[in-house]
Amino acid sequence: DSGVTQTPKHLITATGQRVTLRCSPRSGDLSVYWYQQSLDQGLQFLIHYYNGEERAKGNILERFSAQQFPDLHSELNLSSLELGDSALYFCASSVIPGGPETQYFGPGTRLLVL
Amino acid sequence: GNSVTQMEGPVTLSEEAFLTINCTYTATGYPSLFWYVQYPGEGLQLLLKATKADDKGSNKGFEATYRKETTSFHLEKGSVQVSDSAVYFCALAFTGGGNKLTFGTGTQLKVEL
Repeated sequence: DSGVTQTPKHLITATGQRVTLRCSPRSGDLSVYWYQQSLDQGLQFLIHYYNGEERAKGNILERFSAQQFPDLHSELNLSSLELGDSALYFCASSVIPGGPETQYFGPGTRLLVL
Repeated sequence: GNSVTQMEGPVTLSEEAFLTINCTYTATGYPSLFWYVQYPGEGLQLLLKATKADDKGSNKGFEATYRKETTSFHLEKGSVQVSDSAVYFCALAFTGGGNKLTFGTGTQLKVEL
């Protein structure tokens, strides 16, 4: 158990819908990272937050957004969902953003868009 | 940009066989290098890491040495077990670069009795 929690574990929804994925980092970790794992794209970095502020963006679609709240949990919002958004979404946390701190991964949320 | 290349899988071995999974990277500068493992139905777990050239990371019988001259970080284990069956990801990250991980495509390892 990494100490990073993600909810829900599974999510099934329809095209055009909007969903919110939630991540709670390990106690004391200020950084949260979101990654997408899909069969065709592999594991890709989406976005990084540190202590409530966005620090870096990767291959994140404009339909996707994220935020980190004062209690340090983070939410990833996916809207106007398409079939191709079906994937495993992981969040990871680490102590500081400068690194190279180890990132600890949550169990993931499996999203299926029908 | 930065990238990581891993050998294609699946790799199928008999128990107690020697394992090598090749990983090479392309990067500007000197990143930290990681191996993560993903067991079926689970998230990624850090297996080992190395932060500078010639460092050797090791854990649970797995080893990898950071080779700057060949830009490689090959994963090895002397004697694999069935319980090692998983997908192994090589990754890099930069200090001060937001620490985001750039992953290889993953290599599936199947160990049979």
